[in-house]
Amino acid sequence: QSVLTQPPSVSAAPGQKVTISCSGSISNIGNNFVSWYQHLPGTAPKLLIYDNTKRPSGIPDRFSGSKSGTSATLGITGLRTGDEADYYCGTWDSSLSATWVFGGGTHLTVL
Amino acid sequence: EVNLVESGGGLVQPGRSLRLTCAASGFRLEDYAISWVRQPPGRGLEWVSAISGDSGRTGYAGSVKGRFTISRDNAKKSVYLQMDSLKPEDTAFYYCTSPRLAPNSFDTWGQGTMVTVSS
Repeated sequence: QSVLTQPPSVSAAPGQKVTISCSGSISNIGNNFVSWYQHLPGTAPKLLIYDNTKRPSGIPDRFSGSKSGTSATLGITGLRTGDEADYYCGTWDSSLSATWVFGGGTHLTVL
Repeated sequence: EVNLVESGGGLVQPGRSLRLTCAASGFRLEDYAISWVRQPPGRGLEWVSAISGDSGRTGYAGSVKGRFTISRDNAKKSVYLQMDSLKPEDTAFYYCTSPRLAPNSFDTWGQGTMVTVSS
């Protein structure tokens, strides 16, 4: 069971918008930056959002991130079939010894 | 071109050892921490271990602490993950990754190497 809680799956139609939530605690999301990753198993994960809201070069503005308290959210607008993948949130957890934690992952289906 | 390439994966019996290598190119490895992240079959991403650029700090997930050791040789542009006392639950795709863009995220990833622990 992951320290960060994400819904197992979300779905929406092409062109629509979807949000993926990531819930944690004061020791992780509450006091650290959150990042988001897109992943197709067997391939390298791709960084979508870092420092809660920033997008790396090359990531379209259809992808957005936000954070409030101990929760974070990834938003994707203008959905495309190519967006179908697994999405993970991640951050440092400073309880006991500093470790990195990922959410359990959310599978996005573009219907 | 910035690149991370993992090697050393394979099939190994429970209780045996394996060493993974992450080879870096296209950037100054000594300036960045490196982490290992794995994905067991059918499951999500799991952070395994990290090492600072100067090897001064290391960290491990509870599931591998005491069995895995991370190290690096900046002169050889390589980071290693020594995995001892392997268990079937260590079976996973192993990636090395680095926070080159920002210290609190992983923007540079290798393609991964598969480790299968089975008798």
